[in-house]
Amino acid sequence: NAGVMQNPRHLVRRRGQEARLRCSPMKGHSHVYWYRQLPEEGLKFMVYLQKENIIDESGMPKERFSAEFPKEGPSILRIQQVVRGDSAAYFCASSPGQGRDGYTFGSGTRLTVV
Amino acid sequence: QKEVEQNSGPLSVPEGAIASLNCTYSDRGSQSFFWYRQYSGKSPELIMSIYSNGDKEDGRFTAQLNKASQYVSLLIRDSQPSDSATYLCAVTGAGRRALTFGSGTRLQVQP
Repeated sequence: NAGVMQNPRHLVRRRGQEARLRCSPMKGHSHVYWYRQLPEEGLKFMVYLQKENIIDESGMPKERFSAEFPKEGPSILRIQQVVRGDSAAYFCASSPGQGRDGYTFGSGTRLTVV
Repeated sequence: QKEVEQNSGPLSVPEGAIASLNCTYSDRGSQSFFWYRQYSGKSPELIMSIYSNGDKEDGRFTAQLNKASQYVSLLIRDSQPSDSATYLCAVTGAGRRALTFGSGTRLQVQP
C-alpha cells in the first residue's frame, strides 16, 4: 500500500505562472481533502472531493484556485496566476468514508513563488 | 472565536515526565476528535481518535474528551525527546464533513 502520493514534493513558480499539484489517494479511499499550511501555522481546509464531485469547497479562495477529482487519475489542485502569498505547503489527505476514522496525509507539496 | 483552539506553546517538559496538551472547540455538535503529530517539515500523522466522553488509552498516549465542556486533551506519559513535535487537534463538526484543525501546540521534551 503506497499511501497517499503527492507530487511534486517541491514546486517553484514565478509570479503569474500556474501551479498544478497532484494527489493520488490510498487504494480503496474515495474521499480526498486538500489543506494549506503556512509556516508556523495550522492546517487550513480548502476543499473536499469525491470522484467527479466537489463536496465542500468552503475553504477555497474565490479566485485563481480550483480542484478536481476525475473518474480516472489523481486529484488536481490548480492555482492560476500565482502570487507570493500562495507560497505554502499543500497537503492532500484521503479517507475510505467520510473521515470518521481520521485521514491519512500525503507528504505534501511545498510551493514557492518567486 | 476560532473553531478549534490550542495553546501554541512551546510546552517544555523533562524526559520521563507527563506532557499534557489541551484543545477546546466551539461547535457543540462536533462528533469526532483526533490528535495528529507533525514533525518539522513533515506531514501530519494520526496518533489518537476519540468519539465519546471519557478516556481512551493507547500505549503512552491517553486522549480525554469532555463534550459538556467542549474540551479534548492528550496526555503523553514517559515523554521522550522523540516526542518533540507539534501536536494538532482536529474536530469534525455536526454539519461539516471535513476536519477542522487547531493551530497546534509545539512540544519540546528536554533530555
